[in-house]
Amino acid sequence: DAGVIQSPRHEVTEMGQEVTLRCKPISGHDYLFWYRQTMMRGLELLIYFNNNVPIDDSGMPEDRFSAKMPNASFSTLKIQPSEPRDSAVYFCASSFVSLTKLTNTGELFFGEGSRLTVL
Amino acid sequence: GQSLEQPSEVTAVEGAIVQINCTYQTSGFYGLSWYQQHDGGAPTFLSYNGLDGLEETGRFSSFLSRSDSYGYLLLQELQMKDSASYFCAVSLYNFNKFYFGSGTKLNVKP
Repeated sequence: DAGVIQSPRHEVTEMGQEVTLRCKPISGHDYLFWYRQTMMRGLELLIYFNNNVPIDDSGMPEDRFSAKMPNASFSTLKIQPSEPRDSAVYFCASSFVSLTKLTNTGELFFGEGSRLTVL
Repeated sequence: GQSLEQPSEVTAVEGAIVQINCTYQTSGFYGLSWYQQHDGGAPTFLSYNGLDGLEETGRFSSFLSRSDSYGYLLLQELQMKDSASYFCAVSLYNFNKFYFGSGTKLNVKP
């Protein structure tokens, strides 16, 4: 399996511009998570989906942030308008939880991240 | 809300043993995981404890005490490649949510 694929790997943009980050989860995984990582705040959970449905977006910092998952193999995180304080590495992660397996670990498989710099 | 505490930095020499502690406060606790992250890389899963006790995976072991809201990661026979950041993470409500600690930077010296 190719693993979780994120694009772009690096994005430099100017304040006020729209930014769209993309994620392709591992096939068959039913959970998808978006995290943001900064030195100051560490790894923050922004939103997660289960079977393409947004379950909890309480971590989304502001209305400028939105996320969608139109199908099981694609998700986007959009920031509009972007601000310098949005500069961070954004990670997408997916997981699979079996309803019948007793030894689930909930292991998160992370993509390589999208490093966003807003000038 | 939830909070996780772990030391910010630990230094050890090659071949030694190091323990990284994690204490947590959360509701809906389901289990404790550990992840490794090298500079510029993605976090990768190391271990999971859903029950009290010790889990061993090669040179790495992880421990959980639910009653103490405490866990640790034990790294044995340290190698230079173990230099990385290590995060504890709590999973809530049957793996529905995962919250990460601030990470412990491990420096392994020759």
